[in-house]
Amino acid sequence: DGGITQSPKYLFRKEGQNVTLSCEQNLNHDAMYWYRQDPGQGLRLIYYSQIVNDFQKGDIAEGYSVSREKKESFPLTVTSAQKNPTAFYLCASTGLAGVSEQYFGPGTRLTVT
Amino acid sequence: KNEVEQSPQNLTAQEGEFITINCSYSVGISALHWLQQHPGGGIVSLFMLSSGKKKHGRLIATINIQEKHSSLHITASHPRDSAVYICAVRERLGNEKLTFGTGTRLTIIP
Repeated sequence: DGGITQSPKYLFRKEGQNVTLSCEQNLNHDAMYWYRQDPGQGLRLIYYSQIVNDFQKGDIAEGYSVSREKKESFPLTVTSAQKNPTAFYLCASTGLAGVSEQYFGPGTRLTVT
Repeated sequence: KNEVEQSPQNLTAQEGEFITINCSYSVGISALHWLQQHPGGGIVSLFMLSSGKKKHGRLIATINIQEKHSSLHITASHPRDSAVYICAVRERLGNEKLTFGTGTRLTIIP
């Protein structure tokens, strides 16, 4: 079945460590997105990519980095510079950017202590 | 920047009741999305609409562009409908970004 996979579902890290969250899609979608969800807040856009080897900052990109070396993959690195990294992270993709529905992955819950 | 507000924030109802969740936004849009988030965290897209009304099973979504308002209705509600329902808007065609509401937590009691 086509879809988006994120791994792992739960991730625990010590403060000061970088951590990379995986996102893979087999929907042949061009555009991919990373969102962060915190309690009581709407999803906020971290980074997005419309095409391989290109990506743009979203509203809260500080402390995060991404790469888009393959169409299927859009990993997110949470760096030690991110001041409040504990959150639920969702990856999404869309086929025809701007006119199609977004498909979401199951999410990764990151806890940093 | 578009402000998206949902009401109510929390809603508890008895099985079988007719449910309405509201979404208002401040700036004109090209499309509005209704999403469903289950307790595990995964999000499913329910509707994308830019005008009028859409229906899928027991779910109905309407939008009034002039009033900048959308509603999601659930008929004959069931405990499995318990979830967080999220409204999101895209401001213009081709714009990559969605602006999300904070969600409405719906609980249906058997």
